[in-house]
Amino acid sequence: GQQVMQIPQYQHVQEGEDFTTYCNSSTTLSNIQWYKQRPGGHPVFLIQLVKSGEVKKQKRLTFQFGEAKKNSSLHITATQTTDVGTYFCAGPNAGNMLTFGGGTRLMVKP
Amino acid sequence: DAGITQSPRHKVTETGTPVTLRCHQTENHRYMYWYRQDPGHGLRLIHYSYGVKDTDKGEVSDGYSVSRSKTEDFLLTLESATSSQTSVYFCAIEDSRRTDTQYFGPGTRLTVL
Repeated sequence: GQQVMQIPQYQHVQEGEDFTTYCNSSTTLSNIQWYKQRPGGHPVFLIQLVKSGEVKKQKRLTFQFGEAKKNSSLHITATQTTDVGTYFCAGPNAGNMLTFGGGTRLMVKP
Repeated sequence: DAGITQSPRHKVTETGTPVTLRCHQTENHRYMYWYRQDPGHGLRLIHYSYGVKDTDKGEVSDGYSVSRSKTEDFLLTLESATSSQTSVYFCAIEDSRRTDTQYFGPGTRLTVL
């Protein structure tokens, strides 16, 4: 079945440093989505990428969808303590289901 | 988010007892999902529903059943809870206006002693 993998699993950064998480799918995806989950919270939808090579920005967050539509990345510029949480990518599976990556937990040291 | 509530928010129960978790939505979305989240395993799909009385199994459905008698309610039942079902359970809906994207409820933390 479809597998979605994320690296790294954990990342500690000093506040102000940049952060990147990578997502790789075993199959070509029609789209990819990113979610953020704050500690003790629930996953919250951030963005959906649909086109090959697409790049989208949300303030300090830059999302990229690979040319082959099998990988994606999320880059945060100049991290802040409010960026703390776990970031998940997800790709659609058969029957309106999503396969989630294992997540990257970001910890930011003030 | 998307008018999704879950009840109860916390529950402690004993092995062998039945448990029902409720997910309620107010926006008439067709697709609803139940996930469990455990350290090291991310989000795993238990069951999902694509309409009233239409449900199907997900990746980790053993030991769980679901029912959807109304559009707005999706129930998850553990017929006989086991300690391995201690987890955080999230309900989600698919946003009808944006295919494939999901919005999650606040979660239920279940402890089975």
